[in-house]
Amino acid sequence: QQPVQSPQAVILREGEDAVINCSSSKALYSVHWYRQKHGEAPVFLMILLKGGEQKGHEKISASFNEKKQQSSLYLTASQLSYSGTYFCGTVNNNAGNMLTFGGGTRLMVKP
Amino acid sequence: DSGVTQTPKHLITATGQRVTLRCSPRSGDLSVYWYQQSLDQGLQFLIQYYNGEERAKGNILERFSAQQFPDLHSELNLSSLELGDSALYFCASSVSSYGYTFGSGTRLTVV
Repeated sequence: QQPVQSPQAVILREGEDAVINCSSSKALYSVHWYRQKHGEAPVFLMILLKGGEQKGHEKISASFNEKKQQSSLYLTASQLSYSGTYFCGTVNNNAGNMLTFGGGTRLMVKP
Repeated sequence: DSGVTQTPKHLITATGQRVTLRCSPRSGDLSVYWYQQSLDQGLQFLIQYYNGEERAKGNILERFSAQQFPDLHSELNLSSLELGDSALYFCASSVSSYGYTFGSGTRLTVV
């Protein structure tokens, strides 16, 4: 079963902040975040592992709440280049590293 | 260049035909994953191979099959094609618990 992302879409002005949420009905081993621009391949942003949290990538960070089976992606001081569709992907166990992706969140940053 | 190579980039074929999509993973990556992305939709997991063996299967139709060869490149075979099979097909590779690196995709159009 795929994770649920919210919101489905968000429009920001340059410099504003946004939060994208991802929740799963299953226990999670890890959560991945990707950004996809229209017509291009998804690009890996970061991974959050069970028992830890990993930040990285410009002004984008994320958290992982294992008990609630949720992750959130934080975009601060958004830039035009942040526009795209953000996908979370969840891994339910450490065998195979198979990702199940959420439905995506469309983010548009306007000048 | 992400290091994951997919060919061809575009494919137009008629209903009922069979096509083969090819993927060469990033050097050193043993896992290959195939995903289908229909127009403006999410990423649907099809199948995973690890070092030549099938590791996990998603919602892959019986008309679709895949394999991974000793040199680790993978092929996705789609047969008896239908209009609804038109989509972007992505291949990704990874090392263990790290993030996926996606290829640029093959855009399949069935007419």
